[in-house]
Amino acid sequence: EDKVVQSPLSLVVHEGDTVTLNCSYEVTNFRSLLWYKQEKKAPTFLFMLTSSGIEKKSGRLSSILDKKELFSILNITATQTGDSAIYLCAVFRLTFGEGTQLTVNP
Amino acid sequence: DAGITQSPRHKVTETGTPVTLRCHQTENHRYMYWYRQDPGHGLRLIHYSYGVKDTDKGEVSDGYSVSRSKTEDFLLTLESATSSQTSVYFCAIGPTGGIGELFFGSGTQLSVL
Repeated sequence: EDKVVQSPLSLVVHEGDTVTLNCSYEVTNFRSLLWYKQEKKAPTFLFMLTSSGIEKKSGRLSSILDKKELFSILNITATQTGDSAIYLCAVFRLTFGEGTQLTVNP
Repeated sequence: DAGITQSPRHKVTETGTPVTLRCHQTENHRYMYWYRQDPGHGLRLIHYSYGVKDTDKGEVSDGYSVSRSKTEDFLLTLESATSSQTSVYFCAIGPTGGIGELFFGSGTQLSVL
């Protein structure tokens, strides 16, 4: 059975801080790892990491995949209040972790 | 939004009654999914479909059934709702079988009293 564990479950920071969110996984047939951001309702896609693409960056967000140690991290630099959300990690076949609730205070 | 609509948005029902949630897409994606989201559990897959009349069970399928008679519609049915099925239900669609990006609907808040 595939398993995804995210840590921390909750994180409170101040604007401008840098945060690192963790996702470890166990999967019998690794194909991809995905990160989503969930604000008030529907999760929205951030990144997909695969064996051929182990690092992604978009603005202040970046993510890396370590296939040997079976984990991924999501970094957010210079955090803003708009980054407050639940960040979800998922692996093929779309087994999701519990999520990290990030709160960014002004 | 990526052309995916869930209905109803909110529903309150009583234990033992049947409930059907609808997911409608206009993207013509092959794959459709139903998830439930609960505190402490994240998103858990209930059922998914990989084509018209082709469905399979997910992690938490007990007490749920699905049907897909058209590419654009995926129905989730609770035959006899229980309080443990109180949750937020999300439909998702995607062009590939679990490898790539999923697009989520806005969710249905279901309360079973």
